[in-house]
Amino acid sequence: AQSVTQLGSHVSVSEGALVLLRCNYSSSVPPYLFWYVQYPNQGLQLLLKYTSAATLVKGINGFEAEFKKSETSFHLTKPSAHMSDAAEYFCAVSVGGAQKLVFGQGTRLTINP
Amino acid sequence: DGGITQSPKYLFRKEGQNVTLSCEQNLNHDAMYWYRQDPGQGLRLIYYSQIVNDFQKGDIAEGYSVSREKKESFPLTVTSAQKNPTAFYLCASSIKENTEAFFGQGTRLTVV
Repeated sequence: AQSVTQLGSHVSVSEGALVLLRCNYSSSVPPYLFWYVQYPNQGLQLLLKYTSAATLVKGINGFEAEFKKSETSFHLTKPSAHMSDAAEYFCAVSVGGAQKLVFGQGTRLTINP
Repeated sequence: DGGITQSPKYLFRKEGQNVTLSCEQNLNHDAMYWYRQDPGQGLRLIYYSQIVNDFQKGDIAEGYSVSREKKESFPLTVTSAQKNPTAFYLCASSIKENTEAFFGQGTRLTVV
């Protein structure tokens, strides 16, 4: 069965610094991978997705993620953090034939002025 | 505007009462899902439906029930058998397998 592990339940960075949120997946077959963002008391919004095309995926709000099969990772990055990036971020995996998504535990991102 | 509508946003119920959460989508998506979110536990799948009149249990279905009589509607009933019903509930839909899910704004249920 597929699973997702997000390393670090809470990440804090300074405004303008690099954002790196880690996600590792477990799957016996090529996965589809997603990053979502959630603001307080809101639903989830898709940031980006990997569907076996380019391994470097660009998303909204300046975020991008790189699929590394050898490391079973799909880490999310942003070169320069903005105060508006403060939110909770979820990594999710879906495997062919299984329509449901499996989510990681989430990482809360705090931006320090 | 196309999207997923959950209502109400906040819901309070007394212990022992059943309560139904509404989820409607106008995206013409075949698949719909219900997730429960608790602090520090991410999202856990309660039920999902890939087609009208069919649904499957997720990881934490005990104490919950659903129906899918129409493509656009997937209501969730939290029954009195659910031991800890207080949580944030999220409904989602997707057009087909392995595509992204679109989420509603959530319903925060508090049982007192």
